[in-house]
Amino acid sequence: ETGVTQTPRHLVMGMTNKKSLKCEQHLGHNAMYWYKQSAKKPLELMFVYNFKEQTENNSVPSRFSPECPNSSHLFLHLHTLQPEDSALYLCASSPPAAARYTDTQYFGPGTRLTVL
Amino acid sequence: QKEVEQNSGPLSVPEGAIASLNCTYSDRGSQSFFWYRQYSGKSPELIMFIYSNGDKEDGRFTAQLNKASQYVSLLIRDSQPSDSATYLCAVMGGSYIPTFGRGTSLIVHP
Repeated sequence: ETGVTQTPRHLVMGMTNKKSLKCEQHLGHNAMYWYKQSAKKPLELMFVYNFKEQTENNSVPSRFSPECPNSSHLFLHLHTLQPEDSALYLCASSPPAAARYTDTQYFGPGTRLTVL
Repeated sequence: QKEVEQNSGPLSVPEGAIASLNCTYSDRGSQSFFWYRQYSGKSPELIMFIYSNGDKEDGRFTAQLNKASQYVSLLIRDSQPSDSATYLCAVMGGSYIPTFGRGTSLIVHP
């Protein structure tokens, strides 16, 4: 266990559903990330939050909506997804910037999402 | 566009052999380099980092960095079947956000 938890671990949803993914870390980290991992592709960075402020949005479609209410929690709200959005969604956290050259991201176990 | 290239494999080695995993990167400003291991169906797990040219050893793992050639590698000595996984190379510069390669699949057969 890395100290980063994600729920649910598996999710099946229809294209008209609305669902949310949750990530929680108790490592004292101040940065949190959402990644998408599809088969045969590199990890795709989606969003980055530093101290609850969004600092990166990697051209992600608006059907994905992140929310970071505090430094320990991160959500990814999903609505009207497409079948090609089926993937493993990984949350990660990292310590303050000064430490990141030697102590980088800790990943949660991921949510396996299937869109029908 | 920052790029990190890895041979997708699979790299197949016999148990007890040395597995050599390679990674090249495009951004000359990169400062830190990380190797993650990802078992099938699991999330990536950090196994080593390196930021100075040369070799860094940790148990059976050795990371090698050559900034002039923009090349980083991971050697696994005495490979075990439990080392079978996908190994992700990640490179980080001043943005503090790593860029990941596609990963190399390693198979260690008994």
